[in-house]
Amino acid sequence: DVKVTQSSRYLVKRTGEKVFLECVQDMDHENMFWYRQDPGLGLRLIYFSYDVKMKEKGDIPEGYSVSREKKERFSLILESASTNQTSMYLCASSHSSPHSTDTQYFGPGTRLTVL
Amino acid sequence: DQQVKQNSPSLSVQEGRISILNCDYTNSMFDYFLWYKKYPAEGPTFLISISSIKDKNEDGRFTVFLNKSAKHLSLHIVPSQPGDSAVYFCAASALGNQFYFGTGTSLTVIP
Repeated sequence: DVKVTQSSRYLVKRTGEKVFLECVQDMDHENMFWYRQDPGLGLRLIYFSYDVKMKEKGDIPEGYSVSREKKERFSLILESASTNQTSMYLCASSHSSPHSTDTQYFGPGTRLTVL
Repeated sequence: DQQVKQNSPSLSVQEGRISILNCDYTNSMFDYFLWYKKYPAEGPTFLISISSIKDKNEDGRFTVFLNKSAKHLSLHIVPSQPGDSAVYFCAASALGNQFYFGTGTSLTVIP
C-alpha cells in the first residue's frame, strides 16, 4: 500500500512565523505535489516537483516555497505566515515524470491555522 | 476561473438507490478525468478514472460517464451504501499536465 505521511495533522502558528510542512512518501514516486483545500474552492495546486531538486509553480505559489532534497520528502515552506494561509494542506505523490496522469496518492492533510 | 465545476455542493440519497454526482469542465483539451472520495480528517483516495477515448468506465458499484460534447462527466454509485457518505471530487488534466479539481460534492447516504 502506498503511504504518504504528513508531519502534523493540526498546526497553529502566529502571523509572521516561518512554517514548515513536511511530507514523506514510501513508494519511490517521482512526482510530489502540495495542494490547499478551501471551502468552495476545492483543491488548488501550490507547487509540484517531478524530481529531486526540481520544482514547478502551480496555480497559487505566492507566499510559499518548497524544497525537495530527497526523493521521498517534499517540504512546503511559508516564509512569513499570514491569516489568509489558514487552510487544509494536502500532499500527494505519483509515478511517472515529468508530468503525470497517474493516480495521485494523498496524505491525511495538515490543518493549519494562522492567528 | 474554475475550469472544473461541481455545481451541487451536497446530495442526499436513500440507501440502496442510485447516487449521481455531476461534474462540468470548460477546457476542451482535458483528456483524462479522475474521481476521488474524501472522508473527514483523511486525504482524498482515488476512486475511478476515465480517459477521453472512452465514454464509460465501470468498477463494481461505481461507473463514470463522459460526454465530451457537453464537457460533462458523472459518477454513478449503485446501490448506494452508508459507507459511501463522503465528499467526492472530480479532477481533470490535459496532455499529462497538472490536475484541476472541482469544489466537491458532499454525499450523504441515508440508511
